[in-house]
Amino acid sequence: NAGVTQTPKFRILKIGQSMTLQCTQDMNHNYMYWYRQDPGMGLKLIYYSVGAGITDKGEVPNGYNVSRSTTEDFPLRLELAAPSQTSVYFCASSYPSVSANTEAFFGQGTRLTVV
Amino acid sequence: KNEVEQSPQNLTAQEGEFITINCSYSVGISALHWLQQHPGGGIVSLFMLSSGKKKHGRLIATINIQEKHSSLHITASHPRDSAVYICAVRERSNFGNEKLTFGTGTRLTIIP
Repeated sequence: NAGVTQTPKFRILKIGQSMTLQCTQDMNHNYMYWYRQDPGMGLKLIYYSVGAGITDKGEVPNGYNVSRSTTEDFPLRLELAAPSQTSVYFCASSYPSVSANTEAFFGQGTRLTVV
Repeated sequence: KNEVEQSPQNLTAQEGEFITINCSYSVGISALHWLQQHPGGGIVSLFMLSSGKKKHGRLIATINIQEKHSSLHITASHPRDSAVYICAVRERSNFGNEKLTFGTGTRLTIIP
């Protein structure tokens, strides 16, 4: 059982380039999330999805796009990379439960540097 | 003011010491998570709790919903416990979504 898999682990982009961070989970989780982690800051939510075909903005969505065509995959797209997007990105997933007994599972992170 | 505050921000201790990391939050929550992040590594969920106390090995997590406070304790600390420990709360929502709000983390270093 692989859990949440993110690729790539590291990437250096030039300003203005585009790229897609891949995230896939094999736990049949409805909920998936993209966070960014900046030094000295808590993780900030970029986008999330509550199921295939449904996405919504988080706290810091500007400069990013997402899609959720399948339950398993939730790619994050950077169209015009900017230095402010230098960060560590984490994908996560969970299964919704009204009883609040829902673990969150995280990928290993993608360290992105924009130069 | 952040919705989730952790203390201390940094903690260095000798091997074997009892460790306490605190988390206070200001919003209504349905659950609180304690997460562990090793240098260069991913994030692992240690505990999820909505009341009382949970124990796993040398780790103990407690939560007081009325006081909006949680603690993570490590007994007989070991150098391999060195990591960043992150508190995250799942805010209570009428729509059933699962958004988490994170603290900035506590960097723990255990010296042999």
